[in-house]
Amino acid sequence: EAQVTQNPRYLITVTGKKLTVTCSQNMNHEYMSWYRQDPGLGLRQIYYSMNVEVTDKGDVPEGYKVSRKEKRNFPLILESPSPNQTSLYFCASSRGSQGPQHFGDGTRLSIL
Amino acid sequence: GESVGLHLPTLSVQEGDNSIINCAYSNSASDYFIWYKQESGKGPQFIIDIRSNMDKRQGQRVTVLLNKTVKHLSLQIAATQPGDSAVYFCAENTNSGAGSYQLTFGKGTKLSVIP
Repeated sequence: EAQVTQNPRYLITVTGKKLTVTCSQNMNHEYMSWYRQDPGLGLRQIYYSMNVEVTDKGDVPEGYKVSRKEKRNFPLILESPSPNQTSLYFCASSRGSQGPQHFGDGTRLSIL
Repeated sequence: GESVGLHLPTLSVQEGDNSIINCAYSNSASDYFIWYKQESGKGPQFIIDIRSNMDKRQGQRVTVLLNKTVKHLSLQIAATQPGDSAVYFCAENTNSGAGSYQLTFGKGTKLSVIP
């Protein structure tokens, strides 16, 4: 089954404790992206990747890092999480940058 | 920067009626638009897309209309069913330079279907 898988689905942690949210897709897609979803603000893009070893900042990249060492994986790294990064996070992938994106089921992060 | 917006934050429709969800966009350079459906606890799900060289595109029970003159996008759902209850987002693909594209989402419209 074609899918985008995120882990963990839920995480409660404390300020400053580094964390990584993994994202994997099995569709051989070149384009991958991370979004955060907050009430009243909709979905905002954090980072995206056009292909392996190519990453670019989205609209809200501050406080986040990503890497794209393999085509299927696109982890989101919070080096020093802060409470304002409490949010619902979605990973997505698509065949190219101009195509419908397939989304994972989300990761709910709570930073205390 | 330019953004995608929605006219109505909530919409209640009787089961069996048609639903129309509207979206305004402001980036005249956008050439690709997508509608997504998001059910509670799930990620956005692709419904239908349209490129700027088209005015209308139909899918199964859904139709997207694009009016480039007034920068307006709409999603029509025929014979709305309880399973259509969700939040609907429009999104535009924006050229962010050097061949890269970013997807910018609207705030969303919540569709509630009354049985």
